[in-house]
Amino acid sequence: EPEVTQTPSHQVTQMGQEVILRCVPISNHLYFYWYRQILGQKVEFLVSFYNNEISEKSEIFDDQFSVERPDGSNFTLKIRSTKLEDSAMYFCASSAGQRRNTQYFGPGTRLTVL
Amino acid sequence: AQSVTQLDSQVPVFEEAPVELRCNYSSSVSVYLFWYVQYPNQGLQLLLKYLSGSTLVKGINGFEAEFNKSQTSFHLRKPSVHISDTAEYFCAVSGNFNKFYFGSGTKLNVKP
Repeated sequence: EPEVTQTPSHQVTQMGQEVILRCVPISNHLYFYWYRQILGQKVEFLVSFYNNEISEKSEIFDDQFSVERPDGSNFTLKIRSTKLEDSAMYFCASSAGQRRNTQYFGPGTRLTVL
Repeated sequence: AQSVTQLDSQVPVFEEAPVELRCNYSSSVSVYLFWYVQYPNQGLQLLLKYLSGSTLVKGINGFEAEFNKSQTSFHLRKPSVHISDTAEYFCAVSGNFNKFYFGSGTKLNVKP
């Protein structure tokens, strides 16, 4: 069964450094998402991406964040200058269509900012 | 906007007992409802979903959920739990937009 994959599984970085989290969505999916889960809190939506552009973003997704689909398979989340409060589990998801379509989630990348 | 409330942060239950995990949502538009399970150190796996039609939906691992529009609920049930069901369960809703709104999760702890 196809699945969403994410690398790395765990990333440790120093405050102020740039990080890139990588995701490979399911191959025939057209919609891509990033969510994050701060320890002990809800899973929160960050951004959705379709047709090579952001379709929606939350207030969390400020100028420090960017997303990109650099080739036909990868979908990346970049945090330009990490802060302590960016420490969280970051989940990538993909879906075949909108709204009623199931979003399939990757295993997550645990980001620790020191 | 949509929101989801999972009132029970933790539910302890003995093996082979029935369990119900509660989920209530609020929305001003038609919604689609999902339950996901997260096993330790793993991602979110879809258990079941309600899109339309029959209000009772069956999912994997013997779980089922009932959509109740008047009570704005989508409670998850299993008649007999196993140790392997120990995990965190998340209710999610989507509405007019693609993003999912998640509840805060319920940790199910199945004891022998």
